[in-house]
Amino acid sequence: ETGVTQSPTHLIKTRGQQVTLRCSSQSGHNTVSWYQQALGQGPQFIFQYYREEENGRGNFPPRFSGLQFPNYSSELNVNALELDDSALYLCASSLAGYKNIQYFGAGTRLSVL
Amino acid sequence: ELKVEQNPLFLSMQEGKNYTIYCNYSTTSDRLYWYRQDPGKSLESLFVLLSNGAVKQEGRLMASLDTKARLSTLHITAAVHDLSATYFCAVIPQGGSEKLVFGKGMKLTVNP
Repeated sequence: ETGVTQSPTHLIKTRGQQVTLRCSSQSGHNTVSWYQQALGQGPQFIFQYYREEENGRGNFPPRFSGLQFPNYSSELNVNALELDDSALYLCASSLAGYKNIQYFGAGTRLSVL
Repeated sequence: ELKVEQNPLFLSMQEGKNYTIYCNYSTTSDRLYWYRQDPGKSLESLFVLLSNGAVKQEGRLMASLDTKARLSTLHITAAVHDLSATYFCAVIPQGGSEKLVFGKGMKLTVNP
């Protein structure tokens, strides 16, 4: 167990809807990263938050947005869902520093119909 | 843009055999990570390689890093069925954000 928890575990939405995914980081970690993993692919970086500020963003449109809270937990919001948003969304927490081992949660499986 | 390539993408091997899998990356980095993913599960950290020539071993797995060749290897010794999983390598590019750039993964099946 990594101590990183994500909720919900599964979610079914329809095209055009909005969704919020949640992540609690491991105790002591100040950085949260979000990744999208399509079936049979490696995870793709969405964005990262460090001490409540966005610290880098991947090639995802603005309808993907996030927040980090003072307790370092985080949310990923996706607006105007598209079919291609169906994927496993992974949250990873880490302690900022050179080693930067990212510990992953179990993920949220999102299906868009 | 950093690209990470893994080779092979699929591997079926017999228990007791040895094999080496490869991870190449396209731009300068000295931080490489190996993760394991079981079906329907999340990613488990296996190794962190932070310098040229770094070698780490855990059980039947040994990972190494050659930053000059931009190459990491994961060597499997005397494979057992429990090693069946998908193995990802990931790299943090120098400069910019601390994002992991992943390869496509190598699906390993170890047959009795």
